[in-house]
Amino acid sequence: GAGVSQTPSNKVTEKGKYVELRCDPISGHTALYWYRQSLGQGPEFLIYFQGTGAADDSGLPNDRFFAVRPEGSVSTLKIQRTERGDSAVYLCASSLSSGMGSGELFFGEGSRLTVL
Amino acid sequence: GENVEQHPSTLSVQEGDSAVIKCTYSDSASNYFPWYKQELGKRPQLIIDIRSNVGEKKDQRIAVTLNKTAKHFSLHITETQPEDSAVYFCAAIGSNYKLTFGKGTLLTVNP
Repeated sequence: GAGVSQTPSNKVTEKGKYVELRCDPISGHTALYWYRQSLGQGPEFLIYFQGTGAADDSGLPNDRFFAVRPEGSVSTLKIQRTERGDSAVYLCASSLSSGMGSGELFFGEGSRLTVL
Repeated sequence: GENVEQHPSTLSVQEGDSAVIKCTYSDSASNYFPWYKQELGKRPQLIIDIRSNVGEKKDQRIAVTLNKTAKHFSLHITETQPEDSAVYFCAAIGSNYKLTFGKGTLLTVNP
């Protein structure tokens, strides 16, 4: 597609439920990133993939968060037993390649998660 | 890991004035420094970036300067217009390949 696509754009769920957020990166981009942005804050790194593998998942806050990218394209961020503190906008970004100074990250519009 | 500090958190200027936003970083191995503009409810969008082999880069009304010795970089917007109003984020890619963002600057350009 023309840009990074994220679905759903909005998700409201109840505390304790399971959610999945999907990211479809720009075709041909090997690097894919997930960030979380709370109101009034900068994007906070969660995880990044180079191809199919998670090259760095050090930003995942705890084991309730998990992400996959089985075929090196679409990625799914999975959150188990959601808590109110998980409420935020989850941003996905892709890049032509990873590595130091490799270039621009293109962001999707984000998935706004609200946990009641 | 990389740590990026950004100042000021809010900035209000009159239309036509200049605006300057400053950032510092901690990882001396960082070599790529982008600036993103984010309008309310929208995605961050790259407006300019600079690599560590240059000290300054300019694109029309926007310029970025980099001082590697001091580990700081700045965004300069001249002849500001109301449509420049947004949140601006600086960022740096450190030796861990992660793009680390500052906390953002809310710029308001008053007509």
